Amino acid sequence: EAGVTQFPSHSVIEKGQTVTLRCDPISGHDNLYWYRRVMGKEIKFLLHFVKESKQDESGMPNNRFLAERTGGTYSTLKVQPAELEDSGVYFCASSQDWSRVGYTFGSGTRLTVV
Amino acid sequence: GDSVTQMEGPVTLSEEAFLTINCTYTATGYPSLFWYVQYPGEGLQLLLKATKADDKGSNKGFEATYRKETTSFHLEKGSVQVSDSAVYFCALLGNNAGNMLTFGGGTRLMVKP
Repeated sequence: EAGVTQFPSHSVIEKGQTVTLRCDPISGHDNLYWYRRVMGKEIKFLLHFVKESKQDESGMPNNRFLAERTGGTYSTLKVQPAELEDSGVYFCASSQDWSRVGYTFGSGTRLTVV
Repeated sequence: GDSVTQMEGPVTLSEEAFLTINCTYTATGYPSLFWYVQYPGEGLQLLLKATKADDKGSNKGFEATYRKETTSFHLEKGSVQVSDSAVYFCALLGNNAGNMLTFGGGTRLMVKP
């Protein structure tokens, strides 16, 4: 089966611009997660979708970040306007159910805000 | 809240050396524990897992034992290879935190021939 796909793999934008990251989960996976690693620190949870609904968005840092998952398939994460501290690697993951055995991550999008 | 602490890197070893990467955690109840690995240019891959106390996860020669008494899940490998060079992340899935993984800061391993 195809894995979790993220694009772009890299994005360099100027402060104040808008960037949209996309994640295509494994087909049939209802659960979709966004995480990010900034400044080489720990990977932190951003939010969790179950189908098209936001199950938990407690990790979203502020209202400059907007995540959507229309139709319960792919998801987008928009940062508007981007700030320098948003630089990092954004990971998407998906899982079929709420089993406690971890889930499948994508390769990540490296975002650099200059 | 839940937290994971792992040794800071980088860890530099010669090929065939023994590897230990320490990981300790704080969580309520009985979390599931994981090691993820990120090879250069790739995404996070699940390396091994343990879902209850005293379980040993193993994969590709790596092992980790879920020790509730010491709240630890140290990663070990008896003989590392150059191809093991990567960043290793310890993580937990808490019982009371929905389905959210809590990660440690990551440990970069560099293996020299």
